[in-house]
Amino acid sequence: DTAVSQTPKYLVTQMGNDKSIKCEQNLGHDTMYWYKQDSKKFLKIMFSYNNKELIINETVPNRFSPKSPDKAHLNLHINSLELGDSAVYFCASSQHPPLAGGPYEQYFGPGTRLTVT
Amino acid sequence: GQQVMQIPQYQHVQEGEDFTTYCNSSTTLSNIQWYKQRPGGHPVFLIQLVKSGEVKKQKRLTFQFGEAKKNSSLHITATQTTDVGTYFCAADNAGKSTFGDGTTLTVKP
Repeated sequence: DTAVSQTPKYLVTQMGNDKSIKCEQNLGHDTMYWYKQDSKKFLKIMFSYNNKELIINETVPNRFSPKSPDKAHLNLHINSLELGDSAVYFCASSQHPPLAGGPYEQYFGPGTRLTVT
Repeated sequence: GQQVMQIPQYQHVQEGEDFTTYCNSSTTLSNIQWYKQRPGGHPVFLIQLVKSGEVKKQKRLTFQFGEAKKNSSLHITATQTTDVGTYFCAADNAGKSTFGDGTTLTVKP
């Protein structure tokens, strides 16, 4: 069974389009994340949700809007796509949000490779 | 915000040589985690260190957390071709997790 799944795996689209990426976890975790990994492999957190509540919102253009319909799902909608949005987007989940001294290893999905042309 | 510096960015070794990647922070960390990402894959959790001066081993991998909880290292003894990938540290401080820029290891057979 896949613990954290994402769809689609690949997404090729033109500038200006709107697209969504979906993520689901079957681990019973309370916290989910979206990360962006650029061509240099730098991994940057974008958003984090705990029990459907937004707890981390990094400096991300407001064209990116996460939505968590329930704690097992975290989707990412991107409006007006730009060339610079091309990257691999990873969804992840952890049992708890980062807490001092507490275990919260993150389980990553397989990633969605977004290419904007 | 908190920054975690990870060095080196790249490391090329001959199979059988050792490898070390270092993670440094200017602030005291609550804990630190290490992840491995194989080429074309996704980050996979390796270990979490919590205590000052903690040392943990997983077969040929040795993880250390500094006494001041501001730095950590991952050492691989006698690398194998299966060790190739990018190794990330992830540091937690006051409830926020930040990933280092990663060290990409290539191993020449």
